Amino acid sequence: AQRVTQPEKLLSVFKGAPVELKCNYSYSGSPELFWYVQYSRQRLQLLLRHISRESIKGFTADLNKGETSFHLKKPFAQEEDSAMYYCALRNNNNDMRFGAGTRLTVKP
Amino acid sequence: DVKVTQSSRYLVKRTGEKVFLECVQDMDHENMFWYRQDPGLGLRLIYFSYDVKMKEKGDIPEGYSVSREKKERFSLILESASTNQTSMYLCASSLGVSFTGELFFGEGSRLTVL
Repeated sequence: AQRVTQPEKLLSVFKGAPVELKCNYSYSGSPELFWYVQYSRQRLQLLLRHISRESIKGFTADLNKGETSFHLKKPFAQEEDSAMYYCALRNNNNDMRFGAGTRLTVKP
Repeated sequence: DVKVTQSSRYLVKRTGEKVFLECVQDMDHENMFWYRQDPGLGLRLIYFSYDVKMKEKGDIPEGYSVSREKKERFSLILESASTNQTSMYLCASSLGVSFTGELFFGEGSRLTVL
């Protein structure tokens, strides 16, 4: 069975501080992990995917198969980063399972 | 620009009513999905479809059914709405064979069942 766990429902940091949103997964196959973001009054959208190894809006995420984690990190948080963040796992059937989400608030 | 359109942004229905939620995408995507979004529970997959007339159950299909008669349209049906189905419903679509993991979401349909 596949499972995506985001242990923090809420996360609050000050502007300029580092931020890390945690994601752990369980999956018997070869995982593909993603981060999605939903800004206030906007649609849910893809932020980044592990396979691309890219940095988007200053965010990065590394897949750690040993720890079954895919934490999202940014060295210096900005107020516009305040949003709901979802970690997601794609399985062999091409469907996507999401975690419970973490609401990030960046305070001025 | 991919567009996923959910026909109703807000609905209020009574217990026992039949409810139809419609979703249309304009990018010729093979895959379509229905999720419900609840605070503290995140997105939970109800059903998905990878082709016309094909459907697969997700994690919480009970109380729901779906219809995909045309490639661009994926409907979610609540045969007899109940109060515990009050939620935000999100439709999404994606490519099939060339699926990169990017889902394109609609704006959501907020359903309240009284």
